[in-house]
Amino acid sequence: DIQMTQSPSSLSASVGDRVTITCRASQGLSNYLAWYQQKPGKAPKLLIYAASTLQSGVPSRFSGSGSGTDFSLTISSLQPEDVATYYCQAYNSAPYTFGQGTKLEIK
Amino acid sequence: QVQLVQSGAEVKKPGASVKLSCKASGYTFTDYYMHWLRQAPGQGLEWMGIINPSGGSTIYAQRFQGRVTMTRDTSTSTVYMELSSLRSEDTAVYYCAKIAVAGTWGWFHPWGQGTLVTVSS
Repeated sequence: DIQMTQSPSSLSASVGDRVTITCRASQGLSNYLAWYQQKPGKAPKLLIYAASTLQSGVPSRFSGSGSGTDFSLTISSLQPEDVATYYCQAYNSAPYTFGQGTKLEIK
Repeated sequence: QVQLVQSGAEVKKPGASVKLSCKASGYTFTDYYMHWLRQAPGQGLEWMGIINPSGGSTIYAQRFQGRVTMTRDTSTSTVYMELSSLRSEDTAVYYCAKIAVAGTWGWFHPWGQGTLVTVSS
């Protein structure tokens, strides 16, 4: 099974900061990588698929990059409503695997 | 709009079974695979398996093989997930999630609201 390693596991930043979360796969994924945002008590919400394609309706301050084994999610200017846990997900084959999550807070 | 509505919270005793439902609307039910995932309290996301609503074929994560059964009812656009031999470690929020693009295995969008299953004696 593919292992997904996210870093950092938690992050505190100020409003307006640029924030980057990274995700490393144990095997090459090409671009079969998605990012989700999960707010407390809510279901995950799709942000990005195919490593860098922004889901419709997601603010443009979110962006994704990478291919192969190394990927990143960037928030260009952190907003208070971005407080959440973020997960990467590999979907090149079953079993689908997720990173352990990055909890993002506002300083 | 596409919507997945899951059944309500359940409390079960160890050794029992639970059957959850996920009713889909707003799209052609049989065109999109559906996944089940779970999230234990304070933990990350765990994939359980996938069902093809068209033919009913399934693939389960190895760790759930023998304990999980996914089915569907095309007349009501509903998928079901039954988990047997419940233990305390199965306490979690269970989600259904629709594959985003027909005919692919890809990313999930949208997700159901989740169903809390509590296993306690």
